[in-house]
Amino acid sequence: GENVEQHPSTLSVQEGDSAVIKCTYSDSASNYFPWYKQELGKRPQLIIDIRSNVGEKKDQRIAVTLNKTAKHFSLHITETQPEDSAVYFCAARHTGNQFYFGTGTSLTVIP
Amino acid sequence: DTEVTQTPKHLVMGMTNKKSLKCEQHMGHRAMYWYKQKAKKPPELMFVYSYEKLSINESVPSRFSPECPNSSLLNLHLHALQPEDSALYLCASSQDRAVETQYFGPGTRLLVL
Repeated sequence: GENVEQHPSTLSVQEGDSAVIKCTYSDSASNYFPWYKQELGKRPQLIIDIRSNVGEKKDQRIAVTLNKTAKHFSLHITETQPEDSAVYFCAARHTGNQFYFGTGTSLTVIP
Repeated sequence: DTEVTQTPKHLVMGMTNKKSLKCEQHMGHRAMYWYKQKAKKPPELMFVYSYEKLSINESVPSRFSPECPNSSLLNLHLHALQPEDSALYLCASSQDRAVETQYFGPGTRLLVL
């Protein structure tokens, strides 16, 4: 099956700086890559996703890049704010209904 | 409407109790999931239903028993749980297509005493 690795496990940045979280996957058949943000005590919420036929996608301060050849994808958050503090999970999906999650990154934005 | 609902929000049960968690979605999704999540860990897949048929059953203990009465409803029956089963139980749903995301319910916070 698919194996998704995520780094770093914890990340602290100053408010206004950028944050980058990286994931690698093992199965070249994976073709859909969502990112979820989970605040303490709440559900994971989709913040951005990318499909395998696209190399980059942006939504305001959030962007995701995908390198299919190297089998890695990254989340970029610019101009970070304290409310960006949360745990972020990457995931991969290919044929079938199973989503494979990374181990999570705990992001802290220091005011 | 991208909403998945779950009841109850919180549940405390003893090791001899029987209880059920409920999940509902009205997005027309044909795949529904149960996950178990410990603090700051990723969701851990327990069961997947696709078109109301169980398609993946991980090595989940038999004290957890899923039920999918119809395409909008998913239940998780709990019996004789252990304290280590205390966790957040998340339901999710998605389209049965590989390039679609899944939407999570708010979860049930379960404490087993």
